[in-house]
Amino acid sequence: GAGVSQSPRYKVAKRGQDVALRCDPISGHVSLFWYQQALGQGPEFLTYFQNEAQLDKSGLPSDRFFAERPEGSVSTLKIQRTQQEDSAVYLCASSLVGGPTYEQYFGPGTRLTVT
Amino acid sequence: ELKVEQNPLFLSMQEGKNYTIYCNYSTTSDRLYWYRQDPGKSLESLFVLLSNGAVKQEGRLMASLDTKARLSTLHITAAVHDLSATYFCAVDGASGTYKYIFGTGTRLKVLA
Repeated sequence: GAGVSQSPRYKVAKRGQDVALRCDPISGHVSLFWYQQALGQGPEFLTYFQNEAQLDKSGLPSDRFFAERPEGSVSTLKIQRTQQEDSAVYLCASSLVGGPTYEQYFGPGTRLTVT
Repeated sequence: ELKVEQNPLFLSMQEGKNYTIYCNYSTTSDRLYWYRQDPGKSLESLFVLLSNGAVKQEGRLMASLDTKARLSTLHITAAVHDLSATYFCAVDGASGTYKYIFGTGTRLKVLA
């Protein structure tokens, strides 16, 4: 079946621009996660949704970062007034709530470069 | 705060050799995951370990979990070049949101 998809795959933004990154989770997956992976590092948690409810946004680095999932399916991560330190790969993952393994399935990521 | 540490960070090994990657975590968790990441690619699930003493094997890779020691190992047997990648362990934060806390990663290079 179809996996997690993300778009765009690559995004170049000038410093100060706003960007929007999209995630389509696996159909039927209730939980959706966003992670940020800096070059040479492990992914770091940003935020978590269960259906349309954002239950944990403790990892968002600043109020310039905003995520939504209005209908409990597709999610958008928005970054306002991008800065160079925002350059990273943004990974989306989805999982079944209450599934036997709580395993998360990752999308291909969006590589954001802020110039 | 839950922390996950891997060692070594970099590993260069000859084909045919064996080696072990270690993953230590700082607080109680019963679920641990291993992922592989190739350059420029996303994360590929390798193993899901759900209980103390769990051992799983796939090909030349074997993973184990000791929740009492807060330690997981990824053992590589008779390495081949195709295993060259970065390997991450991740622990379920078990805070009610099931977010993953990832280790620092181990960059493995298998030399022919």
